[in-house]
Amino acid sequence: EVQLVQSGGGLAQPGGSLRLSCAASGFNFFTYAMNWVRQAPGKGLEWVSVVGVTGGNTHYADSVKGRFTVSRDNSKNTLFLQMTNLRLDDTAVYYCAKGVGPISRFLDHWGQGALVTVSS
Amino acid sequence: SYELTQPPSVSVSPGQTARITCSGDELPKKYAYWYQQKSGQAPVLVISEDTKRPSGIPERFSGSSSGTLATLTISGAQVEDEGDYYCYSTDSSDDEKGVFGGGTKLTVL
Repeated sequence: EVQLVQSGGGLAQPGGSLRLSCAASGFNFFTYAMNWVRQAPGKGLEWVSVVGVTGGNTHYADSVKGRFTVSRDNSKNTLFLQMTNLRLDDTAVYYCAKGVGPISRFLDHWGQGALVTVSS
Repeated sequence: SYELTQPPSVSVSPGQTARITCSGDELPKKYAYWYQQKSGQAPVLVISEDTKRPSGIPERFSGSSSGTLATLTISGAQVEDEGDYYCYSTDSSDDEKGVFGGGTKLTVL
């Protein structure tokens, strides 16, 4: 059974940093792309980022490019999202999600979500 | 930037057929995926690659796509099908960004 267990998140000040983690199990982590998706309070879903199987192929939404960095540790089956220079509109529940292929943005399993609140 | 357009809400009575549409210029070339999200929960995949139903998803869920319109159909909708439904695809930019529709709130009552 595919499981994605998220940790991290919490409260940060504008301009601050946070790191999210997503521990994967139940599948060959190193053969699938991994994505991040977020959902602002009361709003719809927004795709944030994807990382390919080796970690060297990364892409970002324009809203986070240059501020967020996605990475993965295949030896620990773990995905990360380093968020810097946080803004008020980054407040959201962040989900990690498994891609359906080695670089796929299409998603088939999701983590439970982690709330990030940016506030002064 | 690329957009997928969904109706904000759809309402049906139990046992009726609910249809949720998703319009996008790239859909003739790109797959549509559909996700169900119930209140306070993570999204769940209900349709992949326009028409495929993942294991564990009830047979009443089906998908179709024609031209620039993808459709999620729930035949004989149940009260437990209430929630938000999102279509999802990718754009045709060099870095192929993911794109969600705005979501459709399905009410079954």
